[in-house]
Amino acid sequence: EAQVTQNPRYLITVTGKKLTVTCSQNMNHEYMSWYRQDPGLGLRQIYYSMNVEVTDKGDVPEGYKVSRKEKRNFPLILESPSPNQTSLYFCATQFGRGTSPLHFGNGTRLTVT
Amino acid sequence: AQSVTQPDIHITVSEGASLELRCNYSYGATPYLFWYVQSPGQGLQLLLKYFSGDTLVQGIKGFEAEFKRSQSSFNLRKPSVHWSDAAEYFCAVGVGSGNTPLVFGKGTRLSVIA
Repeated sequence: EAQVTQNPRYLITVTGKKLTVTCSQNMNHEYMSWYRQDPGLGLRQIYYSMNVEVTDKGDVPEGYKVSRKEKRNFPLILESPSPNQTSLYFCATQFGRGTSPLHFGNGTRLTVT
Repeated sequence: AQSVTQPDIHITVSEGASLELRCNYSYGATPYLFWYVQSPGQGLQLLLKYFSGDTLVQGIKGFEAEFKRSQSSFNLRKPSVHWSDAAEYFCAVGVGSGNTPLVFGKGTRLSVIA
């Protein structure tokens, strides 16, 4: 079954404590991205990756890092989380660009206190 | 750059009634258009997409959408809403080339009452 798997589903942490949200896909898609979803703001792209070792900033990259060392994994790293990063995060993959739909993970709800 | 507007933040309909969710986009050329649905606690699921050809597209779960170039719209419709359709709906536009990501609207929350 085609899947985008995010872990953890829920995470509560404290300001400044580094964390990583993992994303893994089994569809062999080259394109992967991270979004955050906030009430009234919709989905905003954080980072994306066109292929292994190729990453680029989205609309709201500040405070986040990503890496793409292998095709199937695209972790999101918060080196020093702050309360304004409390949000619902989604990983998404896509075959090609533009005309292909995004496939989303089930989300990670992060709370930073 | 392309943009998407969903004018309605929240809509409430009765079960069995018809539904129309509005989506307007801004883009100079013909865009690629998508509707996604997000059920509570879930990720986004693709309902339907439009690339070219017939301007009325059918999707899953009985949804359809119509592309109207003259109105820059891509409204989502369903003739008879079921309680399980309660969710958040997102319209998105892509430009089909380069590194430009999909742009999402802010979403419309649908509530269904008995």
